[in-house]
Amino acid sequence: DQQVKQNSPSLSVQEGRISILNCDYTNSMFDYFLWYKKYPAEGPTFLISISSIKDKNEDGRFTVFLNKSAKHLSLHIVPSQPGDSAVYFCAAMIQGAQKLVFGQGTRLTINP
Amino acid sequence: DVKVTQSSRYLVKRTGEKVFLECVQDMDHENMFWYRQDPGLGLRLIYFSYDVKMKEKGDIPEGYSVSREKKERFSLILESASTNQTSMYLCASSYPGTVHDGELFFGEGSRLTVL
Repeated sequence: DQQVKQNSPSLSVQEGRISILNCDYTNSMFDYFLWYKKYPAEGPTFLISISSIKDKNEDGRFTVFLNKSAKHLSLHIVPSQPGDSAVYFCAAMIQGAQKLVFGQGTRLTINP
Repeated sequence: DVKVTQSSRYLVKRTGEKVFLECVQDMDHENMFWYRQDPGLGLRLIYFSYDVKMKEKGDIPEGYSVSREKKERFSLILESASTNQTSMYLCASSYPGTVHDGELFFGEGSRLTVL
């Protein structure tokens, strides 16, 4: 049973435009959410996170939005750059448990 | 910088062979994890460990075991490899209570093919 779902396997965006990656979760106990980025032949790296007490967190070009009532979060990248082309994984956890549940991933391609 | 090193990037094994995947981290992290990554399924947790000699099952532990004799080293063992264990295996570590709770540091991965 997939508790964290990324329903778009791939997304293609033009350089300079906004990229929006979506993620849904089913477990209402999750209270901390993270995004990871993965390049080919490398391990995933942490990108940005958000606690359930917030609805938005920004870090430079990256913003994560959380809608608890809809059990939905999204990652916005503005402006998108070619180096953002990667697979993005959404993850969720119960804070303190240190155990992450990951989504299936979305492959983002930024076109020049 | 945190470094998580996985001993083999690519392995090819035969069905029934015993397989060891080794992982070493150099930042004195207490938590270590083994995930496998498969297309369309994302990363799934196999086993994790909070401390030396401690282990807990993740979501898909069947067919796997682990060993953590030293804090820096976490080994994944496939007692009798099967073709459905062909996958990318990712080791990760973390230190509990960091500012970034849940921030895992991953190795580069070990791609295992079982024939």
